[in-house]
Amino acid sequence: EVQVVESGGTLVRPGGSLRLSCSASGFTFSGSTIHWVRQAPGKGLQYVSGISSNGGNTYYADSVKGRFTISRDNSKNTLYLQVTSLRTEDTAVYYCVKERDYDRAFDYWGQGTLVTVSS
Amino acid sequence: EIVMTQSPATLSVSPGERATLSCRASQSVGSNLAWYQQKPGQAPRLLIYGASTRATGIPARFSGSGSGTDFTLTISSLQSEDFAVYYCQQYNNWPPWTFGQGTKVGIK
Repeated sequence: EVQVVESGGTLVRPGGSLRLSCSASGFTFSGSTIHWVRQAPGKGLQYVSGISSNGGNTYYADSVKGRFTISRDNSKNTLYLQVTSLRTEDTAVYYCVKERDYDRAFDYWGQGTLVTVSS
Repeated sequence: EIVMTQSPATLSVSPGERATLSCRASQSVGSNLAWYQQKPGQAPRLLIYGASTRATGIPARFSGSGSGTDFTLTISSLQSEDFAVYYCQQYNNWPPWTFGQGTKVGIK
């Protein structure tokens, strides 16, 4: 069974930083592209960032480029998102999402971790 | 960036009735279009990929159609568990992968 579990979300002040983690099991983690998608309270889904299976390619939404850094440790089946210079508009549930093996749709989603940016 | 536009924003349907949701892309995405269902307090779930292929475990009452810029998700006979928000997503031109703003299907 595929499992994706996010952690690290918390309350942080504007300008602050934190690191989100995503632990995965039930599939070949090292063979999968993984992404972060976020959802602000009461809003829709917004793409954040992604990383290829070997970490050689990374992808970012313009709104987070230069502030967020995605990385992975395939030996630990874990994905990370280092978020810095946080803004109130970054407040959201952050989902870790596995990309399908044969196309680029998103087939498995974690339950999300809440990041609240507030003074 | 490809902009995805869904309509209507809200759809009220009686149980057992048919629901038709639309999604339009600002430029062609071929058949690289997915649909997701999200219930309150839950993560989204993949329903349809490749514009028309049901994901594993998705009931046959869900069907997708379209290509290029215009797509449709049809729920043939709404069940109580189908009342949710539905999102379309293109994965033809990336990054970014882009989502529509969602259609909320509620009980009439």
